[in-house]
Amino acid sequence: GENVEQHPSTLSVQEGDSAVIKCTYSDSASNYFPWYKQELGKGPQLIIDIRSNVGEKKDQRIAVTLNKTAKHFSLHITETQPEDSAVYFCAASDTGNQFYFGTGTSLTVIP
Amino acid sequence: GAGVSQTPSNKVTEKGKYVELRCDPISGHTALYWYRQSLGQGPEFLIYFQGTGAADDSGLPNDRFFAVRPEGSVSTLKIQRTERGDSAVYLCASSLGRGLTEAFFGQGTRLTVV
Repeated sequence: GENVEQHPSTLSVQEGDSAVIKCTYSDSASNYFPWYKQELGKGPQLIIDIRSNVGEKKDQRIAVTLNKTAKHFSLHITETQPEDSAVYFCAASDTGNQFYFGTGTSLTVIP
Repeated sequence: GAGVSQTPSNKVTEKGKYVELRCDPISGHTALYWYRQSLGQGPEFLIYFQGTGAADDSGLPNDRFFAVRPEGSVSTLKIQRTERGDSAVYLCASSLGRGLTEAFFGQGTRLTVV
């Protein structure tokens, strides 16, 4: 089965700085990579996703890059704000039947 | 409602008891997923429904766990003879259907087995 690894497990940045979270996957059949933000006591919320036919996708301050050859993908958050503080999860899927999640990154944005 | 709704939000039960967790997906979403999330971990897949049928139940840990979706909408996750190790947040998600479409999660049910 698929194995998704995520780093770092915790990340602290100053407000206004950028944050980068990296994930690797093992199954070359995976072709859909969503990123979720989870706040305390809430379910994961989709913030951005990328499919294997593109290498980069942006949505305002958030961007995701994908390197299929190396089997890794990254989340980039620019101009971080305190409300970006949360746990972020990457995931991978090949068919959409199952999503394999990373272990999460706890991001703290220091005002 | 506009989102995925899960009830109850919290459930405390005694070891050995039976519990049911309910999920109301987004209207029109034919795909429904159950995941389990332990503290400090990412969600782990349990089961996937496409319509009324369980298309993939390979994540169910053992035969104490069972899920149904009789009318292709609401789903119930059933756990028999609960054990302390079953304590976790149980998450439900739904999406429009087959293929790689966005999955929207509910807020989860926190199950505590004492």
